[in-house]
Amino acid sequence: DAKTTQPPSMDCAEGRAANLPCNHSTISGNEYVYWYRQIHSQGPQYIIHGLKNNETNEMASLIITEDRKSSTLILPHATLRDTAVYYCIVNSGGSNYKLTFGKGTLLTVNP
Amino acid sequence: DAGITQSPRHKVTETGTPVTLRCHQTENHRYMYWYRQDPGHGLRLIHYSYGVKDTDKGEVSDGYSVSRSKTEDFLLTLESATSSQTSVYFCATRGGNTEAFFGQGTRLTVV
Repeated sequence: DAKTTQPPSMDCAEGRAANLPCNHSTISGNEYVYWYRQIHSQGPQYIIHGLKNNETNEMASLIITEDRKSSTLILPHATLRDTAVYYCIVNSGGSNYKLTFGKGTLLTVNP
Repeated sequence: DAGITQSPRHKVTETGTPVTLRCHQTENHRYMYWYRQDPGHGLRLIHYSYGVKDTDKGEVSDGYSVSRSKTEDFLLTLESATSSQTSVYFCATRGGNTEAFFGQGTRLTVV
């Protein structure tokens, strides 16, 4: 799996958009970008994933650059409950089933 | 949420004793994972399984063994627990090229 680089921490004001960057400059053509988050003491939770196109679901939007070397997870209207560690993972899935996590970004949403 | 149950949820054990943690899933997912999480280290992969009786080592496998005799159960065994294995352990499952689902974690304390 390609390695990812994320800032260790970020702050965001409640109600504002939170934009979490991830660098994956060594990503391969068949590798997906996955985002998970972990709220204190709980098991990680899947948020969204994408290959090339931008994706949106009820939780977030994922913007992947054209060269696929970086991506941004967008929480459009952050709430206090979005305070968590966010993990960006690159994985090809399928036969590449090994799933490794980095240290992620601690997002703190402030009132 | 996927049906993943970890047991026990909390355990205190003495150094040198064997310990087995159980992960049970009802989703018929092919892939299962065991992670440990310690302050400052994020999630680290211990072992993973890509089918019944098919397992492989992760990045921190020393001192741990696993077994998967049925699709639904993935057991993690500490043959002789040490204080360095005090941690929170998470199990995860994955159906294929899809998102992973995590259990709620097992907090293990070795005294």
